[in-house]
Formats: sequence, structure tokens, C-alpha cells
Amino acid sequence: EAAVTQSPRNKVAVTGGKVTLSCNQTNNHNNMYWYRQDTGHGLRLIHYSYGAGSTEKGDIPDGYKASRPSQENFSLILELATPSQTSVYFCASGDVGGRGTGQLYFGEGSKLTVL
Amino acid sequence: GQQVQQSPASLVLQEGENAELQCNFSTSLNSMQWFYQRPGGSLVSLFYNPSGTKHSGRLTSTTVIKERRSSLHISSSQTTDSGTYLCALVYNAGAKLTFGGGTRLTVRP
Repeated sequence: EAAVTQSPRNKVAVTGGKVTLSCNQTNNHNNMYWYRQDTGHGLRLIHYSYGAGSTEKGDIPDGYKASRPSQENFSLILELATPSQTSVYFCASGDVGGRGTGQLYFGEGSKLTVL
Repeated sequence: GQQVQQSPASLVLQEGENAELQCNFSTSLNSMQWFYQRPGGSLVSLFYNPSGTKHSGRLTSTTVIKERRSSLHISSSQTTDSGTYLCALVYNAGAKLTFGGGTRLTVRP
């Protein structure tokens, strides 16, 4: 079974502080994704990556940076956290391209509260 | 951008009843993916269905590209089926997904 692990699972930050959410996958998937989930907005794509060294803007990238230092790791960085970034964040890896199934595998989620 | 509409937004069933969840999309796609999300939990992939019909136990997914719709049928519902069902339009050669708003299903004993 594909495995995606997020850390931390819960985080309380102060406005203006820096927050880093980490994601590790053991699936050897090229693609990785960061989504946020909010009531009334569903799941929205923040950043994604095609592989090590690659980061691409999703649908709501403002206020977020991403880093993909290796095939296994993909981080989401909030340089100056704001209360509007309070949300649940999900990382996913994707078996896309070539003979891939196209399926996405999600982590357990990271609940971020910005006070 | 890509548009995905799910219906109904919520559904309450008695155990044993069937459910039909709908997903309509406004543009071309590579595939449709259905997920189950347990309350407060992560997403689990149910189907990756580019077209046609797929079965898995009591679940059936049907995607009709020409009609720009996909459905998820749950037969003989159980209380453990309760949760949120999400469809996602897969596009950009499979690299991106856009999610619908979800259907919150409650199955009562």
C-alpha cells in the first residue's frame, strides 16, 4: 500500500510566524501535491511538483512556497502565516504518467491554526 | 478554470438503501477519480475511472465523457459507509485534479 506521511499533524502558529509542513512518500511517485481543505471550499490545490527540484503553482499559491529537495520529500512553507491560512492541509503523491494508474494517495492531513 | 459540481450535497439513508451520487464537469478530462473521506480523516481512493463502468464490492462507478458526468452507486448501504464522498476531475495529462464539493452521506441503523 502506498504511504504518504505528513508532519506535524497538528500545529498552532502565531500571525507572522514561519510554518513548514513536511511530507514524505515511499511510493517513488514523481508527482506530489499540497491541498488545503476548508468548509465551503472543498479541496484546493496550492502547489505541486513533477519531481525533485520542481515546484509548480496550483490554483491558490499566494502566501505559500513549496520545496521538493528529493523524490521522497515535498514541503509547504508559510513564510508569514496569517489567520486566513488556518486550515487542514493534505499532501498527496500521484502515480501519473507513463503506465501509471493516475491515482493519488493522500496523507492523513495536518491541521494548522494561526492565531 | 475547471468546474466540478457534485450532488446531492448531503444524503441520509436507512441502512440497506441504495445511493446514487453524481458528479458533473464542464470541460474535457483525462479521468474522474472518486474518494471516500471518513470524518476528520484522510482521503481514500475508491475508483480511477476514465470512462465506462467499474465495480468494487458494493460500489459502482460510471463515467460518461460525452455527457460530462460520473456517478458513484452504493448498494445495500451500511452505517460504516457514512462519511464524505468526493469526485475529482483529472486533467493536464493526469498531473492535476480539481475536486467537487463532496457529498456528505449519513447511513442510519
